Amino acid sequence: AQSVTQPDARVTVSEGASLQLRCKYSYFGTPYLFWYVQYPRQGLQLLLKYYPGDPVVQGVNGFEAEFSKSNSSFHLRKASVHWSDWAVYFCAVSIHQGGRALIFGTGTTVSVSP
Amino acid sequence: EAGVTQSPRYAVLQEGQAVSFWCDPISGHDTLYWYQQPRDQGPQLLVYFRDEAVIDNSQLPSDRFSAVRPKGTNSTLKIQSAKQGDTATYLCASSFRGGAEQFFGPGTRLTVL
Repeated sequence: AQSVTQPDARVTVSEGASLQLRCKYSYFGTPYLFWYVQYPRQGLQLLLKYYPGDPVVQGVNGFEAEFSKSNSSFHLRKASVHWSDWAVYFCAVSIHQGGRALIFGTGTTVSVSP
Repeated sequence: EAGVTQSPRYAVLQEGQAVSFWCDPISGHDTLYWYQQPRDQGPQLLVYFRDEAVIDNSQLPSDRFSAVRPKGTNSTLKIQSAKQGDTATYLCASSFRGGAEQFFGPGTRLTVL
């Protein structure tokens, strides 16, 4: 069955430090992958998307992610974290079922310390 | 361009009451999705439409939940006889021609007491 695993429920990083959030997917087929961010009391905002092609994709606000077919992974990175990055981050895979629904991971909460 | 809009933003009910959520997708988007997001969890698909047709409603929890999109534009998700376990945020999203990228509304946060 298709699934997305985000093994880290919570990550705390210092402002200015680098960040990596892990995502593993399970999908038999060509995955379309996404990272979304959710700020308190808000909906989901797209950070970046992977469509088959270049494995490294750039997103908004300095985020990037790397797709690895061999590892079934799509990890998110940022070189220097800002306090405004304090949010919940969701990895998702798009599955084809007569349309394209999203399967989400459980999310990783990023806290930023001064 | 206006994004996906949802109303109400918040709802508080007693068990047994009914509630309806309304969603207006991005203009021109033919595919509309409803997700349920329990607290501290990721969104989980409930149902989605292409135009007015239901593509997949297999994840609607029970007969208490129903969703319609009669003219292929706005949509309503209804819960009859709400239970405490229905407490969650209900998110609506839309996409163009069933494309992979979905655009989300702000959600309706439901609390069932």
